Amino acid sequence: EAGVAQSPRYKIIEKRQSVAFWCNPISGHATLYWYQQILGQGPKLLIQFQNNGVVDDSQLPKDRFSAERLKGVDSTLKIQPAKLEDSAVYLCASREGTEYEQFFGPGTRLTVL
Amino acid sequence: GENVEQHPSTLSVQEGDSAVIKCTYSDSASNYFPWYKQELGKRPQLIIDIRSNVGEKKDQRIAVTLNKTAKHFSLHITETQPEDSAVYFCAATASYDKVIFGPGTSLSVIP
Repeated sequence: EAGVAQSPRYKIIEKRQSVAFWCNPISGHATLYWYQQILGQGPKLLIQFQNNGVVDDSQLPKDRFSAERLKGVDSTLKIQPAKLEDSAVYLCASREGTEYEQFFGPGTRLTVL
Repeated sequence: GENVEQHPSTLSVQEGDSAVIKCTYSDSASNYFPWYKQELGKRPQLIIDIRSNVGEKKDQRIAVTLNKTAKHFSLHITETQPEDSAVYFCAATASYDKVIFGPGTSLSVIP
């Protein structure tokens, strides 16, 4: 079974630039999550999708972050404009409907200079 | 809001010794407690989990205990090996979703 895929793996941008991350969850997983993991901290949930609908985006900085999952499969997370404090690893995870376990992708390491 | 605390933040043990990591949670409705292992530069991977209807679960060298009254749970690793070196995260959730992660424990197993 293929795992959660993410791209790019690494991205370096300057502050005020824009960046987008892509995630392809495990086939059949209706629930998709985006997490932000700052160095030395645990993952923090940014947004959760159930199919193509948003379930929870209470911790998403909506003035600069946006995410979509138009067809209920792949998802993109965008930051516009980026700030220095956005430097982190962005993890995508997916979960099957009736199971608790979340499966994580390899993450995208973002460095904002 | 919901919070998960984790101690210690760093832990060094000699190979073969045991390691214990402790977590507390604030949301009394939490009913699922997973533990993730994250090696440097890699994704978090589930190593063991426990649900609120049991007090202890064991899988080979790894065990987790849960005290719902005190709202704390612990990870126990016995006979530690160098490959156990990683960052361990505890987490808690009151549903399938809104998993709250602890800040992590960096475990070093010294050969």
